[in-house]
Amino acid sequence: SQELEQSPQSLIVQEGKNLTINCTSSKTLYGLYWYKQKYGEGLIFLMMLQKGGEEKSHEKITAKLDEKKQQSSLHITASQPSHAGIYLCGADDLNAGGTSYGKLTFGQGTILTVHP
Amino acid sequence: DAGVIQSPRHEVTEMGQEVTLRCKPISGHNSLFWYRQTMMRGLELLIYFNNNVPIDDSGMPEDRFSAKMPNASFSTLKIQPSEPRDSAVYFCASGPTGGYTEAFFGQGTRLTVV
Repeated sequence: SQELEQSPQSLIVQEGKNLTINCTSSKTLYGLYWYKQKYGEGLIFLMMLQKGGEEKSHEKITAKLDEKKQQSSLHITASQPSHAGIYLCGADDLNAGGTSYGKLTFGQGTILTVHP
Repeated sequence: DAGVIQSPRHEVTEMGQEVTLRCKPISGHNSLFWYRQTMMRGLELLIYFNNNVPIDDSGMPEDRFSAKMPNASFSTLKIQPSEPRDSAVYFCASGPTGGYTEAFFGQGTRLTVV
């Protein structure tokens, strides 16, 4: 099965600073999802990447998938306290041409703290 | 739509008791997933259904765990008998059928077994 390694495990930044979270896979990624979780709450979908070299942005958050489709990064520009939470990457557990029904394997998560 | 609805939000029970967690997926979604989240193991998939049929239950930890989906709008995850190591947050998620579509998560049920 797919294994995802996230780094760093935790991150503390001052408000206004930029930051990057990485997600590395042991296998080729055919669907890579980024979710955010606030303590005690469910996961909120951020973005999904499929193609090598793909990049998507939403407000101040940008996600990229490398050309080899084994690594993704999540970059936050000018961080705010509202960005604090746990960021999880998830991989669609399928091989090229297969069907996963949306079954995901998740990384361990990165805990982000933003100090005002 | 109200999103994925889970109940209860919190459950405290004694070891050995039966626990039933409930989930109402988003209307129209064909896939339903049960996940468990702990500090040690992170977020793990327990079982998922497609069109009410269990597709993969390889993540169910033991025979003490069982899940059902009697219809498209309701699913249960049952633990009998419960043990302290079952303490975790259990999430239900639903999504449209097919790869490359995001799953929508419920708020979770925080289970504490004492």
